[in-house]
Amino acid sequence: GENVEQHPSTLSVQEGDSAVIKCTYSDSASNYFPWYKQELGKGPQLIIDIRSNVGEKKDQRIAVTLNKTAKHFSLHITETQPEDSAVYFCAVGPDKIIFGKGTRLHILP
Amino acid sequence: EAQVTQNPRYLITVTGKKLTVTCSQNMNHEYMSWYRQDPGLGLRQIYYSMNVEVTDKGDVPEGYKVSRKEKRNFPLILESPSPNQTSLYFCASSQGGGSTEAFFGQGTRLTVV
Repeated sequence: GENVEQHPSTLSVQEGDSAVIKCTYSDSASNYFPWYKQELGKGPQLIIDIRSNVGEKKDQRIAVTLNKTAKHFSLHITETQPEDSAVYFCAVGPDKIIFGKGTRLHILP
Repeated sequence: EAQVTQNPRYLITVTGKKLTVTCSQNMNHEYMSWYRQDPGLGLRQIYYSMNVEVTDKGDVPEGYKVSRKEKRNFPLILESPSPNQTSLYFCASSQGGGSTEAFFGQGTRLTVV
């Protein structure tokens, strides 16, 4: 079955700097790659997703890149702000969603 | 407002006492699922349902049951809870299974003593 690895498990960055979280997957048939943000006391919420027919997608300060050959995709957050502090999960579809183990992002003042 | 509603939000129970966690969605989604979240293990799928009366096991189904009698509801049943089922539980729904956005409930924190 599909295996999703996410790194790092914890990431601390200075406010204003960029943060990058990486995920790898094993099934070459996977074609849907969402990222979820989980704030304290809440359920995960989709922040951006990408499908296998594109290599990059951007939405304001967040972007996702996909390398299907290497089977990895990354979340990039630029100009980080305190409200970016949360746990981030990558995930892989399409049959059923398989989640990575999560990255706890701390934005340092 | 589109939402997934879980109840209760917090529950402390004793070993062996049957309990049900309810989940309801108002988006007419066909696909619903249950996850448990444990430190260092991420989100692991317990059960999922692709439509009414259609349910299937996820990655960690042991000790759990589900039912899908109506499209909007997907309760999680623990017939005989044990301490290793202490966890944070999330219900989610989506229109297209693993190929579209999943909407999550607020979570249920369960403690089994």
